[in-house]
Amino acid sequence: NAGVTQTPKFRVLKTGQSMTLLCAQDMNHEYMYWYRQDPGMGLRLIHYSVGEGTTAKGEVPDGYNVSRLKKQNFLLGLESAAPSQTSVYFCASSPDRPLGYEQYFGPGTRLTVT
Amino acid sequence: AQSVTQPDIHITVSEGASLELRCNYSYGATPYLFWYVQSPGQGLQLLLKYFSGDTLVQGIKGFEAEFKRSQSSFNLRKPSVHWSDAAEYFCAVGAGHNDMRFGAGTRLTVKP
Repeated sequence: NAGVTQTPKFRVLKTGQSMTLLCAQDMNHEYMYWYRQDPGMGLRLIHYSVGEGTTAKGEVPDGYNVSRLKKQNFLLGLESAAPSQTSVYFCASSPDRPLGYEQYFGPGTRLTVT
Repeated sequence: AQSVTQPDIHITVSEGASLELRCNYSYGATPYLFWYVQSPGQGLQLLLKYFSGDTLVQGIKGFEAEFKRSQSSFNLRKPSVHWSDAAEYFCAVGAGHNDMRFGAGTRLTVKP
């Protein structure tokens, strides 16, 4: 049981390049999330999914797209990277329960855009 | 919308000393409350959570937190800190699956 995994762990992009971050979970969770973490700002929700084939915007969605074609995978795309997207990105998942819906986090991806 | 404030950006305690990390929230109803810990280079790990019932909740690694509705607080405590507790701690408030708000975090340094 690997929990939540993220690929890659580190990446450096030039401004304007594109990339996709992959998140996978093996806990059969319905909900999945993408956050970014910036110093002094905690975690901010980018996009989330309430089930396979669904996605929705979070607090800071601009410049990002997501897809959830399979229940276990949640992809985060940057079509044209900008230096403001330099951050640490965390994926999380949670089960479909009315209570006890704590989120389980992956190890993060550190992205630098130059 | 709910919000979370962690007033202390950085705290230093001596090993063996007690610890209290503060968390204040703003929310109209009783929220779901969480504390997470993040070790350097790692993801967030859940320490404990509060949904209802007993206002003093026990978590992993010897941590506990107390929900005080009158003060809108959910402070994290540990009676005796170990060097391995050095990490960043995040308080979070949840109103639903898609509405979790995190505080900015408190970085804990443990002196030998």
